[in-house]
Amino acid sequence: KQEVTQIPAALSVPEGENLVLNCSFTDSAIYNLQWFRQDPGKGLTSLLLIQSSQREQTSGRLNASLDKSSGRSTLYIAASQPGDSATYLCAVSGNTGKLIFGQGTTLQVKP
Amino acid sequence: NAGVMQNPRHLVRRRGQEARLRCSPMKGHSHVYWYRQLPEEGLKFMVYLQKENIIDESGMPKERFSAEFPKEGPSILRIQQVVRGDSAAYFCASSPTDYPGAGEKLFFGSGTQLSVL
Repeated sequence: KQEVTQIPAALSVPEGENLVLNCSFTDSAIYNLQWFRQDPGKGLTSLLLIQSSQREQTSGRLNASLDKSSGRSTLYIAASQPGDSATYLCAVSGNTGKLIFGQGTTLQVKP
Repeated sequence: NAGVMQNPRHLVRRRGQEARLRCSPMKGHSHVYWYRQLPEEGLKFMVYLQKENIIDESGMPKERFSAEFPKEGPSILRIQQVVRGDSAAYFCASSPTDYPGAGEKLFFGSGTQLSVL
């Protein structure tokens, strides 16, 4: 049974810091891994999707890496801003459209 | 192109009543997924539907819950005889293809917050 764990559960940093969010999964037989952002009371916004054959994806200040063999992914946020404050969710998918989510990391970036 | 639309945003029901949650996928999307986020828990898969077909309902509770995605109109998640434990945020997501085969992202709606009194 696939399980996804995110560490840390919460993180508070001053503005401008670079930071890394971690995600681990127990079954390496995944099709892809996706990072989402969730703002309070709102839906999920997809940030980055990494196919199982890929090692990383980049979008602006965000970079996500995937090491399928070790069951790990990291989301790197460069030069963090207060607007980055949100909950970040990692999710993996197998051979169906079903996503298995981690519990999320709640990030607070202080001005 | 409007995103995934869910309504209502907030739904209050008393124990024993029925709850109907609606989801209109993005234009051109024929695959719909429902997820539930219980308080202090992560998002959990409930059901995956294509037009007029339930593809995977392995995450649906065995009783009181049902889902449909008719040929015309929105997808409906129906909860009969609601109990307090059903209080949660229910999210719908859609994709244009057989995700993840084509590597498509899932697009999520803003969710329906169900509160059972």
